[in-house]
Amino acid sequence: DADVTQTPRNRITKTGKRIMLECSQTKGHDRMYWYRQDPGLGLRLIYYSFDVKDINKGEISDGYSVSRQAQAKFSLSLESAIPNQTALYFCATSGTRDTQYFGPGTRLTVL
Amino acid sequence: TQLLKQSPQFLSIQEGENLTVYCNSSSVFSSLQWYRQEPGEGPVLLVTVVTGGEVKKLKRLTFQFGDARKDSSLHITAAQTGDTGLYLCAGLADSSYKLIFGSGTRLLVRP
Repeated sequence: DADVTQTPRNRITKTGKRIMLECSQTKGHDRMYWYRQDPGLGLRLIYYSFDVKDINKGEISDGYSVSRQAQAKFSLSLESAIPNQTALYFCATSGTRDTQYFGPGTRLTVL
Repeated sequence: TQLLKQSPQFLSIQEGENLTVYCNSSSVFSSLQWYRQEPGEGPVLLVTVVTGGEVKKLKRLTFQFGDARKDSSLHITAAQTGDTGLYLCAGLADSSYKLIFGSGTRLLVRP
């Protein structure tokens, strides 16, 4: 079984809809991250959490919110999706300061 | 803002050829990582370098961290079709717990 899972893997939605992407991990890590990936831009950090009570904004948090429901679960919400949020979204976890383990990604399309 | 610039952005070579990918920044990083990402999957860590001037080898892959800890290179000897993918470098700043990702190098190894 995968250590980091993401659901859904693919999602097509319309402008203005609320969307939630979910991430679960079985690695027992405290640190969890949400990134988005766009062609030519690499991975950009949206939000990160170092434990259940800790939530921090990344470099591109506008238009997104997160919830850390438990050590193993970290969800990302788009309150009102817009087309320029079409991207690949990755969840990652880490137990140390640097090594991160990524989920398989969610491909989100906003029409 | 710390930035990591990767070059080249795209590389298409014949199987058996050698290649080098570069990752450059004007900022100092306490460690630098290289990831490989295949279509439909998340990035997977290849190596972490932490000491200026450090060289690490992983079979046909050689990673080097610059003396000043601002740049890194990845050299692949006798490329194989299985090396095809997106190669990402990521740096960890001395005072940060966040990874900064480069924009990636997309490698295609033709049979």
